[in-house]
Formats: sequence, C-alpha cells, structure tokens
Amino acid sequence: AQTVTQSQPEMSVQEAETVTLSCTYDTSESNYYLFWYKQPPSRQMILVIRQEAYKQQNATENRFSVNFQKAAKSFSLKISDSQLGDTAMYFCAFANFGNEKLTFGTGTRLTIIP
Amino acid sequence: SQTIHQWPATLVQPVGSPLSLECTVEGTSNPNLYWYRQAAGRGLQLLFYSVGIGQISSEVPQNLSASRPQDRQFILSSKKLLLSDSGFYLCAWTPPNTGELFFGEGSRLTVL
Repeated sequence: AQTVTQSQPEMSVQEAETVTLSCTYDTSESNYYLFWYKQPPSRQMILVIRQEAYKQQNATENRFSVNFQKAAKSFSLKISDSQLGDTAMYFCAFANFGNEKLTFGTGTRLTIIP
Repeated sequence: SQTIHQWPATLVQPVGSPLSLECTVEGTSNPNLYWYRQAAGRGLQLLFYSVGIGQISSEVPQNLSASRPQDRQFILSSKKLLLSDSGFYLCAWTPPNTGELFFGEGSRLTVL
C-alpha cells in the first residue's frame, strides 16, 4: 500500500519570503501522479499543483513549484514570494495511474506572517 | 463548467440518530465520486468511492454507508451515529484518467 508522509505539522514564514514544504511517499509503482492541495481556513480544498511521475521536468504554477526526486521518493512544494492568502493547510497526495483513489499525507499548516 | 455541492455544511446530532449527507455534481456525466473524512492530524481518509450508479466500494469498515441513486448524486448515511463519527466530511469527484480530485465545501458533523 502507498503511504504519504508530511513531517512538518506546522510552519510559519514572513510575508514575501520563500518556504518549502516536505513530502515523501512510498510506492512500488513506476507510473503515478503526485499532488499538492491547499485548504484555506473554512474554505474549499483546491489543487495547487500536480506532477506526473514519468515527467522529469518539475511542475510549476506561478509562485508554486515542486522539487520531484523520483529515486528518493520526495515531492516538496516551494512557495515563492509568499502572500497572506497562502495561509492554509497543505496536503500532499499520491495516486496510481489508472486508479484515481488518492492517498493523502497528514498535512502541513502554513501560516504567513505579515 | 463543473461544480460540486454538498450539504448540510454543519450538523449536530445526538448519538444513535441517523445521518444523511448529500453531494451533487453538475456539468459532467459519469464522474467518479468519493467520500473522505478529515480528522485533525490524520489527513484525509477515503471512506467510499463510486464509479457508477449503484456501484459503491468501501475502503474502511465502519458505521457508515454510501449510495449513488443517480449519476451525479452521492449520499453518505448512517442508521445510528457514534461519537467517533464526528469529523469533517468531504465529497469529491474526478474526471476520468486525471487522478485530480475536485472537492465540495465539506460538512462538519458533531455527534454529542
């Protein structure tokens, strides 16, 4: 069974700084998806960024980028120029190709300090 | 565009009472549908998923059940709630072959 580990329960950073959230996973599969989801306080969970395991290039979405290390089974999220609106719970998630049941980590609560 | 809605947003129920949480998806057909429960410090736990009408798979044996009476409707139920059923319940759907979940707004259940 796949597992996803987020070892940082809480983090805080000053506004405009860069922060990196860690995620490791365990799988015996070679083809899979990885995701970062954001859950703002009292708001809907939304997708931040996704990565297909067969792609060597790291995914980027504006201020959000990932460092995908397939051999190390590591998938960290970097948020550049952090903004107050980035304050949220962040969940790392894994899904096998062809199996759309996601396995989630326990989350990292990120607080951006003005 | 596709939208997903679930209700009620909050619910306070006594132990032993029944439960019904509803979720509907609009703007798509034959979605895969999911019920997750979110507990503090434990991430999201998949409870049920459905690939079609009447097709329900249970991931965790428990006091809850799910049904899919229509293509875009997914219902989470219980006949008798337990204290341990308290939590935040999320409905979600996926387009085929993307692995990407789209979540509803969530339902916070408190069992007293």
